[in-house]
Amino acid sequence: EAGVAQSPRYKIIEKRQSVAFWCNPISGHATLYWYQQILGQGPKLLIQFQNNGVVDDSQLPKDRFSAERLKGVDSTLKIQPAKLEDSAVYLCASSTGAGHYEQYFGPGTRLTVT
Amino acid sequence: GENVEQHPSTLSVQEGDSAVIKCTYSDSASNYFPWYKQELGKRPQLIIDIRSNVGEKKDQRIAVTLNKTAKHFSLHITETQPEDSAVYFCAASMDSSYKLIFGSGTRLLVRP
Repeated sequence: EAGVAQSPRYKIIEKRQSVAFWCNPISGHATLYWYQQILGQGPKLLIQFQNNGVVDDSQLPKDRFSAERLKGVDSTLKIQPAKLEDSAVYLCASSTGAGHYEQYFGPGTRLTVT
Repeated sequence: GENVEQHPSTLSVQEGDSAVIKCTYSDSASNYFPWYKQELGKRPQLIIDIRSNVGEKKDQRIAVTLNKTAKHFSLHITETQPEDSAVYFCAASMDSSYKLIFGSGTRLLVRP
């Protein structure tokens, strides 16, 4: 089966600019996650969707980050305005549903904010 | 909220030796504990997981043990090979949200 797709793979922006990331989960996967992985750290969950509804966004900096999952399939994560500390790899993952199922990760988008 | 601590942060072993990575969690409600392997520049991939109703699980050269009383779990890799070199992350989650809380990672280096 095709894996989780993400784009772009790399992005360099200046602080205060905006950026958007796109994720296409594995077909049929109801649950979608966005993680932020800062260099040398473990992934940190930003937001979790179940179909097109938000399950958990407690760690999402809502003053600058937003995410949506239209029609319960693809998802976009936006940062506006970006800060230097947002430099990280943004990983999208999906799983079959709500429960302790394996999460399949995409290749990630490496964001550098200068 | 849940917090997962992982150690050591780096581990270097000789090929053929065993490697052990340990994690502790803070919330006794956590009941699912996966381990992910992340090679340099690649995505994390699940290598083994364990649920709280099981004390140990083995899959070929890797095994995971869970001590619910002490709230810690460990990854054991036997007969290590150079291709085992990677960063390993432990994680914990519970039924209330299913979200994974990751440890900080262990960089394993297997010397040929």
